[in-house]
Amino acid sequence: ETGVTQTPRHLVMGMTNKKSLKCEQHLGHNAMYWYKQSAKKPLELMFVYNFKEQTENNSVPSRFSPECPNSSHLFLHLHTLQPEDSALYLCASSQESLAGGLSYEQYFGPGTRLTVT
Amino acid sequence: EDKVVQSPLSLVVHEGDTVTLNCSYEVTNFRSLLWYKQEKKAPTFLFMLTSSGIEKKSGRLSSILDKKELFSILNITATQTGDSAIYLCAVNRDDKIIFGKGTRLHILP
Repeated sequence: ETGVTQTPRHLVMGMTNKKSLKCEQHLGHNAMYWYKQSAKKPLELMFVYNFKEQTENNSVPSRFSPECPNSSHLFLHLHTLQPEDSALYLCASSQESLAGGLSYEQYFGPGTRLTVT
Repeated sequence: EDKVVQSPLSLVVHEGDTVTLNCSYEVTNFRSLLWYKQEKKAPTFLFMLTSSGIEKKSGRLSSILDKKELFSILNITATQTGDSAIYLCAVNRDDKIIFGKGTRLHILP
């Protein structure tokens, strides 16, 4: 399997549930990202992992918890979400990271459509 | 080859000045152009532009896209020291996003 894969593709959860989104990249990249795409703030960058180290993003609520066990896998753990968290969650990977402002490309996965009821 | 070119690469101005940051692109299957502000932590989203000629504003920041000439500008008026950062331009295709090298802006008090 090649590219960036995400599971599940669709998820409906209640506000008291705990769920996890999974992302896997088969491109040999060193950096991975979580984006949130919603009507209010399209393509909002949530977390950056470079060589498994997270770059802080204090603007993301603590009910979103990322985990990067290795450079190929990235998780987003969800708990006590709110209805406004309903959105498309995109994972991406790149050879380098955002730090330093280098010109580079990030490749997206297909996304997980999350609905919080 | 897809590319995103930002200019200038660095800029130093005095507080209160107005600055214009440029972003030109050559990207197939264009979907949107995005501006981010990066300080010490992860970049924060500023604007997403999809249509030509429609200015987006947020406080002292504004941005506009020209899809015919393939460029965008980011304007910051009445600059403050807190505006010092790297400003990143990115173009979103269907399957990937291409970032420019950024403009490092430094505001002198």
